[in-house]
Amino acid sequence: GENVGLHLPTLSVQEGDNSIINCAYSNSASDYFIWYKQESGKGPQFIIDIRSNMDKRQGQRVTVLLNKTVKHLSLQIAATQPGDSAVYFCAENQRGATNKLIFGTGTLLAVQP
Amino acid sequence: ETGVTQTPRHLVMGMTNKKSLKCEQHLGHNAMYWYKQSAKKPLELMFVYNFKEQTENNSVPSRFSPECPNSSHLFLHLHTLQPEDSALYLCASSQALDGPLHFGNGTRLTVT
Repeated sequence: GENVGLHLPTLSVQEGDNSIINCAYSNSASDYFIWYKQESGKGPQFIIDIRSNMDKRQGQRVTVLLNKTVKHLSLQIAATQPGDSAVYFCAENQRGATNKLIFGTGTLLAVQP
Repeated sequence: ETGVTQTPRHLVMGMTNKKSLKCEQHLGHNAMYWYKQSAKKPLELMFVYNFKEQTENNSVPSRFSPECPNSSHLFLHLHTLQPEDSALYLCASSQALDGPLHFGNGTRLTVT
């Protein structure tokens, strides 16, 4: 992706293993969180979102966990595949804010065959 | 196909040129956005439009001028840019201002 390169945190996993990508947020007023995936040469792609009235949400092969106590968000990918290799961003938004999503710098997931 | 189409995919321009970036969304959304993505930096919000009206200008220099003629189309007019403006410019749309954003694949801009 365009933000892939040096200095990004990198998670390297074996194909078939589960992946866990973590994100810390700073604004306790944030109440909406999104995970995006960005592959090389493409824009960010929506994966899954969660609101602060939930602590877990599941999608297809992905699960997002929200811990408001420690302001921590994680994305779990089951049975990671080579096509999952990309940069993953978390984003947070504050209740009532005009979709002023605050994005993290991203984590590079490298899947080893 | 992302539902949000951006053209051109790549653009090289000199500092004295005038060019425009185009974005079209086919999702029936009401809000559209411009973001800037630079290497090693988080995505930066530039502009937000809701029902064709600009609702956010995130202190963007006037050499970037957005235009939203309708809810499906968004332009970013560029003039007298600086080399540090070189980046990936991403367009996004959402159904409502508090919903998830859907991004296009961006225009890679290089200012020489």
